[in-house]
Amino acid sequence: EAQVTQNPRYLITVTGKKLTVTCSQNMNHEYMSWYRQDPGLGLRQIYYSMNVEVTDKGDVPEGYKVSRKEKRNFPLILESPSPNQTSLYFCASSALGGNYGYTFGSGTRLTVV
Amino acid sequence: AQSVTQPDIHITVSEGASLELRCNYSYGATPYLFWYVQSPGQGLQLLLKYFSGDTLVQGIKGFEAEFKRSQSSFNLRKPSVHWSDAAEYFCAVVINQAGTALIFGKGTTLSVSS
Repeated sequence: EAQVTQNPRYLITVTGKKLTVTCSQNMNHEYMSWYRQDPGLGLRQIYYSMNVEVTDKGDVPEGYKVSRKEKRNFPLILESPSPNQTSLYFCASSALGGNYGYTFGSGTRLTVV
Repeated sequence: AQSVTQPDIHITVSEGASLELRCNYSYGATPYLFWYVQSPGQGLQLLLKYFSGDTLVQGIKGFEAEFKRSQSSFNLRKPSVHWSDAAEYFCAVVINQAGTALIFGKGTTLSVSS
């Protein structure tokens, strides 16, 4: 089954403790992206990647890092999480071109206390 | 700046009634247009998309949307709403050829009353 898999689904952590949210897709998509969803703000793009070793900032990249060492994986790294990063995070992938549509993961609900 | 506007934050519709969710975008050219649905606790599921051709597009679950270039709109419709349609709906546009600039509206929450 074609899918984007995120782990974990739920995570509670403390301020400053580094964490990684994993994202993997099995569709051989070139493009992958991370979004955060907050009430009243919709979904905002954090980082995206157009291929292996090619990443770029989205609208809200501060406090986040990403890497794309393999085509299928695109982990999101929070080196020093803060409470304002409490949010629902989604990973998405697509073939390049914009008109193919995007497949989203099931989301990771992160709480930073 | 490019933007996507969903004017209605929350809509309540009776089961069996028709539905229209509004979406307007601000972009110079014709973007790629999408509607996604998010059920509680779930990820986003693609309902339908438009990038060229017939301006009335059919999607899954009985939804359709119409692209109106003159109004910069891409409204979502369904002739008869079911209780299972209660969810949050997002309009989104891609504003570049590579597809890396996907912009979402803030969403419309649909409640269905019996």
